[in-house]
Amino acid sequence: EVQLVESGGGLIQPGGSLRLSCAASGFTVSSNYMTWVRQAPGKGLEWVSVIYSSASTYYADSVRGRFTVSRDNSKNTLYLHMNNLRAEDTALYYCARGTGSSGYEFDYWGQGTLVTVSS
Amino acid sequence: QSVLTQPPSVSAAPGQKVTISCSGSSSNIGNNYVSWYQHLPGTAPKLLIYENNKRPSGIPDRFSGSKSGTSATLGITGLQTGDEANYYCGTWDSSLSAVIFGGGTKLTVL
Repeated sequence: EVQLVESGGGLIQPGGSLRLSCAASGFTVSSNYMTWVRQAPGKGLEWVSVIYSSASTYYADSVRGRFTVSRDNSKNTLYLHMNNLRAEDTALYYCARGTGSSGYEFDYWGQGTLVTVSS
Repeated sequence: QSVLTQPPSVSAAPGQKVTISCSGSSSNIGNNYVSWYQHLPGTAPKLLIYENNKRPSGIPDRFSGSKSGTSATLGITGLQTGDEANYYCGTWDSSLSAVIFGGGTKLTVL
């Protein structure tokens, strides 16, 4: 059974750093493309980043240069390293697995981990 | 302001049919696949449609997807109260080199 479990969220001050984790089971992270998507309070889904099996990565303009997506193949885990956090980064962060050959469609999602950026 | 435009809300009675539109441009919908997601805030989004009109296993055929030019449509027939949720379209934008989502449409089953 495919499962994704996010962790690492919490309350962090503006300018701080945080690392989110997404532990996967039932499939191999490195063989799939994976994404991070967030939802700010009262807002819609906002794409954050994607990493492909080739290890190539893409980022939304709003986080490029501050966030880095990576994976640990030995732990079958996806990460999102977040630096210089801002109030507008406050959101529920989801990880998801890619499906098909498109490179941008996602079939399994985690329950999310909440990041709150506030002083 | 999202690159993909969806109506903020739609509503229909139980048993009826509803359609949700998603309008984009040649840099996104016009040349890429469209997917659709069902989402209740605080829960995991669910993939309903991928590659414009394909349903993942376990998704009932009450849900359908279509694409024409730079627009896509999600159709839901035989509406149930359990279908009340937010629905998002998604695709790739070749100009932005980014995954993009529509602003979301809240479905109310009256």
